[in-house]
Amino acid sequence: DVVLTQTPPTLSATIGQSVSISCRSSQSLLHSNGNTYLHWLLQRPGQSPQLLIYSVSRLESGVPNRFSGSGSGTDFTLKISGVEAEDLGVYYCVQGTHAPWTFGGGTKLELK
Amino acid sequence: QVQLKESGPVLVQASETLSLTCTVSGFSLTNYGVIWVRQPPGKGLEWMGIIWRNGNTDYNSALKSRLSINRDTSKSQVFLKMNSLQTDDTAIYYCTVGVTYWGQGVMVTVSS
Repeated sequence: DVVLTQTPPTLSATIGQSVSISCRSSQSLLHSNGNTYLHWLLQRPGQSPQLLIYSVSRLESGVPNRFSGSGSGTDFTLKISGVEAEDLGVYYCVQGTHAPWTFGGGTKLELK
Repeated sequence: QVQLKESGPVLVQASETLSLTCTVSGFSLTNYGVIWVRQPPGKGLEWMGIIWRNGNTDYNSALKSRLSINRDTSKSQVFLKMNSLQTDDTAIYYCTVGVTYWGQGVMVTVSS
């Protein structure tokens, strides 16, 4: 199975600070159809996960554009340009290129 | 709009079988696959398996011997069955469509 390694496991930030989260895959996530199925989720405390970014860099409808995704192959990054209080929670990357799908271990974003 | 709701017992005895139902609305199960994901208390997300729109299934390698996912398209329901439960199967169980739409989850406790 594909292993996704997220770093850092915990991230402390002040409001307005820009931060990045890394997700590295044990295999290339480029599908034979040319798409890369690497997505980013946010899980706020006590809530179900929410999709932020799909297919590496595509912003889900309704998600603020301070969130952006980049990367290719095995290395991917989620960037938040100007953290807001509502962004606190745990971020997960998830791959859907190879069955079974797998999640990264999560990155907890907290206030400094 | 798309909605998913998990239902099932909140307390199960060890060694017994867990049966959960995901009831969906706003889309047809013949057009979209449904994924089951679980989250032990205080831990990360674990992809359990998927039933694709054509009825085929894929399972997490670690759970494959204990897990089955089926559906009733006429009732818009997807079923999860997992046998030989242990206490470390205690978790919130979610169903999701493409990690875009999520149910609220159901907390299942396995008692010894």
